[in-house]
Amino acid sequence: GENVEQHPSTLSVQEGDSAVIKCTYSDSASNYFPWYKQELGKRPQLIIDIRSNVGEKKDQRIAVTLNKTAKHFSLHITETQPEDSAVYFCAATGNQFYFGTGTSLTVIP
Amino acid sequence: GAVVSQHPSRVICKSGTSVKIECRSLDFQATTMFWYRQFPKKSLMLMATSNEGSKATYEQGVEKDKFLINHASLTLSTLTVTSAHPEDSSFYICSARGGTVSTEAFFGQGTRLTVV
Repeated sequence: GENVEQHPSTLSVQEGDSAVIKCTYSDSASNYFPWYKQELGKRPQLIIDIRSNVGEKKDQRIAVTLNKTAKHFSLHITETQPEDSAVYFCAATGNQFYFGTGTSLTVIP
Repeated sequence: GAVVSQHPSRVICKSGTSVKIECRSLDFQATTMFWYRQFPKKSLMLMATSNEGSKATYEQGVEKDKFLINHASLTLSTLTVTSAHPEDSSFYICSARGGTVSTEAFFGQGTRLTVV
């Protein structure tokens, strides 16, 4: 199956700074790459997604880039706020839906 | 977004018994449902993928006879943990997708299973 690697596993930033989380995948057939935010004990919530025919997508403070040739994609959060603190997961999907290992983001006020 | 309801949210059972977890798509037809297991502070590990009317596709290392998955309708999939043991205690969560492979999947609220 697909192998999705995610880095870093933990990330601390000062409020207002940017945060970047990177993922790589192995299956070239994967064509949809969502990012989820999960709070403790809750279900994952989609925050942004990108499809394989697009290289970059932005939604307010959140942006995602995709390099299909290199099989990597990244999440960028600008002007971070304390409420951005959570665990973030990337995913690579085709017929199956595989998650990365997760990044625990802490935004320090 | 679409709504996926998972029940029960918490269950405690005795070793050796079986537990059934339901995952329902409330306002769309889920052609594909995914079942995950999540350990504390860890990622969601895909257990199996089920397409309506077909046998589930299990990931390597997941025992299909222990984790029975049924996807008999476009709105309901069930996961039955058979002969549960304490090591089966975990957070189980389903997700459902109604469109093509390049569309969003919606998550249930998860089930906290404790086997005593």
